[in-house]
Amino acid sequence: GESVGLHLPTLSVQEGDNSIINCAYSNSASDYFIWYKQESGKGPQFIIDIRSNMDKRQGQRVTVLLNKTVKHLSLQIAATQPGDSAVYFCAESYGANSKLTFGKGITLSVRP
Amino acid sequence: DADVTQTPRNRITKTGKRIMLECSQTKGHDRMYWYRQDPGLGLRLIYYSFDVKDINKGEISDGYSVSRQAQAKFSLSLESAIPNQTALYFCATSDRVSHLREQYFGPGTRLTVT
Repeated sequence: GESVGLHLPTLSVQEGDNSIINCAYSNSASDYFIWYKQESGKGPQFIIDIRSNMDKRQGQRVTVLLNKTVKHLSLQIAATQPGDSAVYFCAESYGANSKLTFGKGITLSVRP
Repeated sequence: DADVTQTPRNRITKTGKRIMLECSQTKGHDRMYWYRQDPGLGLRLIYYSFDVKDINKGEISDGYSVSRQAQAKFSLSLESAIPNQTALYFCATSDRVSHLREQYFGPGTRLTVT
C-alpha cells in the first residue's frame, strides 16, 4: 500500500549547525508534500509544503527539497537552534479532498 | 486563547465505558479532523468532516464515531472503550484556501483505557 516513511528515528545536531531531515514516499501521484513539527506536549504545527511540480521551496530558515526521481523529500534547517528540538513529520496529500498521510516521525535533538 | 481546544486533556477510563472527546475551534474553518497518535506510528486519521453535513471515515474508524454539532464543534466518541484505544488524540482544522495541507492542531487528549 501507499506509505510515507522516514529513514532515521532520531537526529542529533550541534546548535548552529544545519540539519537535514529525510523522508521517503511511495505515492508518485501525491500532489503536495508537507512538513510538520511537533514540540513536546503540543499538537503538530505546519512548517512548509511543496507542490509536486516543484523541486525546492524556501521558508524562514527552512528549505524543502523534493526529488521525484527517487521519491525523496528532505527538510533542511539552517543554523539549528534549541527551539528546533522536536519531532518532525513528513506528510503527503493527493487531490483536493483527500486526507493527509503522515510518516512516523523523526526526533531532532539539538546539542548546546 | 487557543484557536483549537480539546477537552478533556487527560482521561482514564475502563474497558467497556463510553466516552466522548470534544473539540472546539474559533478559526472559522469548515474542515475538521480527528487523529490518533501512537508511539512510532505517527498520526492516523480516524474521521474527517468538510462541513456540518459531511462526515467521512478515515483509515482507522472502527470503534469510533463522530458528531459535527456545529461548524465550530466536532466530537469523537468511543462507544465501548478497549485498551488498544489508549493513545494521544488530536483534533485539527483547515480552511478551503489551503485545503487540507495546513492543518491547525489542538493540544491533544491523552486517553488511557484500563
